[in-house]
Amino acid sequence: DVKVTQSSRYLVKRTGEKVFLECVQDMDHENMFWYRQDPGLGLRLIYFSYDVKMKEKGDIPEGYSVSREKKERFSLILESASTNQTSMYLCASSILTGLGNTIYFGEGSWLTVV
Amino acid sequence: AQSVTQLDSQVPVFEEAPVELRCNYSSSVSVYLFWYVQYPNQGLQLLLKYLSGSTLVKGINGFEAEFNKSQTSFHLRKPSVHISDTAEYFCAVSDSRTGGFKTIFGAGTRLFVKA
Repeated sequence: DVKVTQSSRYLVKRTGEKVFLECVQDMDHENMFWYRQDPGLGLRLIYFSYDVKMKEKGDIPEGYSVSREKKERFSLILESASTNQTSMYLCASSILTGLGNTIYFGEGSWLTVV
Repeated sequence: AQSVTQLDSQVPVFEEAPVELRCNYSSSVSVYLFWYVQYPNQGLQLLLKYLSGSTLVKGINGFEAEFNKSQTSFHLRKPSVHISDTAEYFCAVSDSRTGGFKTIFGAGTRLFVKA
């Protein structure tokens, strides 16, 4: 089975802190994603990456950056956390094909910014 | 641009009753359609997907969905629900041009199954 592992399930950070959310997948997938999930808004794409050192902005990239130094690892960075970034963050991966890819998700990281 | 609308934010239903979760999409090109389920405190997992071919798609846990191109809908159904089906369900669409990079998710429907 594909496994996407998010290193932290629950975090509490202070406003202005730099926050790292780490994600590792074990299926050699080319694509990796970071989504934000908020009630009533569903999932919104923050950034995605289709190869090492490659990244593309999603729908809500402001206030976030990402890093992909190795194929299996995709990190989300909040340079200066703010209270409006309190949310559930989901990492995901998929293979790179031309058809409708199944996206495999991690269990999520609940981030509270106080 | 694509969009996905899940018509019900919450659906309460009694155990062993049938259920339908509604999803409409808009897209100017041919699409791939998905239903994902999120159990409490977990990530999302794929229930089923439509890529092409038969418009009736069967998924895991007894769920099925029907693609209706004329009505741009992809409703999810189950003839008899269990307590364990209580979860949030997300409809999603990606188009044939992007191959999945830009999968758009609906806002989700919370299914509550009552004893």
